[in-house]
Amino acid sequence: NSKVIQTPRYLVKGQGQKAKMRCIPEKGHPVVFWYQQNKNNEFKFLINFQNQEVLQQIDMTEKRFSAECPSNSPCSLEIQSSEAGDSALYLCASSPGHNTGQLYFGEGSKLTVL
Amino acid sequence: GEQVEQLPSILRVQEGSSASINCSYEDSASNYFPWYKQEPGENPKLIIDIRSNMERKQIQELIVLLDKKAKRFSLHITDTQPGDSAMYFCAASAGSNAKLTFGKGTKLSVKS
Repeated sequence: NSKVIQTPRYLVKGQGQKAKMRCIPEKGHPVVFWYQQNKNNEFKFLINFQNQEVLQQIDMTEKRFSAECPSNSPCSLEIQSSEAGDSALYLCASSPGHNTGQLYFGEGSKLTVL
Repeated sequence: GEQVEQLPSILRVQEGSSASINCSYEDSASNYFPWYKQEPGENPKLIIDIRSNMERKQIQELIVLLDKKAKRFSLHITDTQPGDSAMYFCAASAGSNAKLTFGKGTKLSVKS
């Protein structure tokens, strides 16, 4: 069983609605990543954090998503206005850092935008 | 940014034979190369990885080879079993806390 906990497992939204997903990283892992995996199984990096600070994000994330990793609370990724093309599996991964590079994924939140 | 190419996209093998998946990357700064296995409806699981200071690594039936000069790395599964059937993804990253860039995946089917 994954030690990275993502909720909800499934969410269904209408176009224009907000869609919020949460992630609790593995204990002791200071680095968190969000990826989008589309129906063709392709991975798209969205954003990563070290503790509460954003390390890197793509333009789409900056413009359309709201993401944070507050201390002592789950990390979250929220699409401000869902589009059909946002339908995908959103995967959160955590890393122990220390230059290991290793990412451990949660089970994902599957978003369907009608 | 980094690009990772993965081939083949589909691989069918007979139980007990070997399966090989090949990846190439572009960024010479990449120094960490993991492989993930993803079964239908499940999360990707890290199965083996190799760093740029190594050329070969083996964990049980999994062998990873890295050729830094050619910017290629590969996964070899020896003595495949039906339970090895899954999607396999290679990835590359450069440096501490850097994002992983994934290949497009290989669907491996092992027939008994």
